[in-house]
Amino acid sequence: GAGVSQSPSNKVTEKGKDVELRCDPISGHTALYWYRQRLGQGLEFLIYFQGNSAPDKSGLPSDRFSAERTGESVSTLTIQRTQQEDSAVYLCASSLAASQPQHFGDGTRLSIL
Amino acid sequence: KNQVEQSPQSLIILEGKNCTLQCNYTVSPFSNLRWYKQDTGRGPVSLTIMTFSENTKSNRRYTATLDADTKQSSLHITASQLSDSASYICVVSLDSNYQLIWGAGTKLIIKP
Repeated sequence: GAGVSQSPSNKVTEKGKDVELRCDPISGHTALYWYRQRLGQGLEFLIYFQGNSAPDKSGLPSDRFSAERTGESVSTLTIQRTQQEDSAVYLCASSLAASQPQHFGDGTRLSIL
Repeated sequence: KNQVEQSPQSLIILEGKNCTLQCNYTVSPFSNLRWYKQDTGRGPVSLTIMTFSENTKSNRRYTATLDADTKQSSLHITASQLSDSASYICVVSLDSNYQLIWGAGTKLIIKP
């Protein structure tokens, strides 16, 4: 497809486990973003990639969160030692450039038991 | 503190009616203002982007306005349809452009 693809669409895991979320951006989009959206709340910025580098990681809530991007394409967001407060929808977006509209995937709904 | 506030929190209107959603922001340095539509369980979809110099911008039945002096924006929806039921989110971009301040959204419900 031509849109941003995220997997898995849903993830249920036990507290303390590690999880890895994947984002396939639109081909040719150099900018990639990760957001967190808690139920009924606005989007919370996590990290921004320009190409494969992350000039802004300021939104990552703790050192349990990390993200990488390879080949100016796929990105993974990893959460280690998950806690119940990590339960949320994690959204990925990409854009041609930072000034251009962001195109979003449908997110990964993460539930920590 | 950079903030985007939207009102009302939620709104119910009958199909075919018009409505206006409001957005107030305190964001500096301002680059542009964006409106997104988010259907339940889906990612947000861009409706419009407005720069400092643009006062009005239309996209089909959506008309956005921006008053940079009062730091207010509105999104007007004309002749609402059932498919317009969604959350409408106001987003303000900082100078860097990638840094976006997101409002909590207005949940719009269109009833037949």
